[in-house]
Amino acid sequence: EVQLLESGGGLVQPGGSLRLSCAASGFTFSINAMSWVRQAPGKGLEWVSAISASGGSTYYADSVKGRFTISRDKSKNTLYLQMSSLRAEDTAVYYCAKDRRATTVTGRFEEWGQGTLVTVSS
Amino acid sequence: AIQLTQSPSSLSASVGDRITITCRASQGISSALAWYQQKPGKAPKLLIYDASSLASGVPSRFSGSGSGTDFTLTISSLQPEDFATFYCQEFNSYLFTFGPGTTVDIE
Repeated sequence: EVQLLESGGGLVQPGGSLRLSCAASGFTFSINAMSWVRQAPGKGLEWVSAISASGGSTYYADSVKGRFTISRDKSKNTLYLQMSSLRAEDTAVYYCAKDRRATTVTGRFEEWGQGTLVTVSS
Repeated sequence: AIQLTQSPSSLSASVGDRITITCRASQGISSALAWYQQKPGKAPKLLIYDASSLASGVPSRFSGSGSGTDFTLTISSLQPEDFATFYCQEFNSYLFTFGPGTTVDIE
């Protein structure tokens, strides 16, 4: 059974930093592209970032480009999202999502974690 | 960037009803469209990918169709567990835009 377990969310001040983690199990993490998708309270879904299986290709939404960095550690089966220069509008539940059977990023989000809440507020 | 619109934004229906949700893209995206279902407080669930392919474990009462700019999600006979918000999402570009969502509630 595929499991994606996000952690690292919490309350952070504007301008601060936070690193999210997503521990993966139940599938071969090293051969699957992954993404982060967020959802502001009461709002719709917004794709944030994606990374290929090798980590060699990364992609970002314009809203986070230059502030967020996606990475992965195959030895730990873990996906990361390093967030810096956080703004109030980054407040959201952040989900990690597994691409559908692909080493390259395709955007078919087949499996999702339960999400971790990030609140940016003073 | 590709924009997605969904209609209706919400609808009320009864168990057993057939419902259709429409998603329109601002430019042609071939069949690069997925549909997700999200229940309150839960993560989204993939229903349909490549416009019409049923994701693993999804009941056959769900179906998708369309290509280019116009797409539909149909539930042939609404079940109690189907009441939720539905999102379309394009994967034609590396911006993976989601539609604004359609909430289906009990009439």
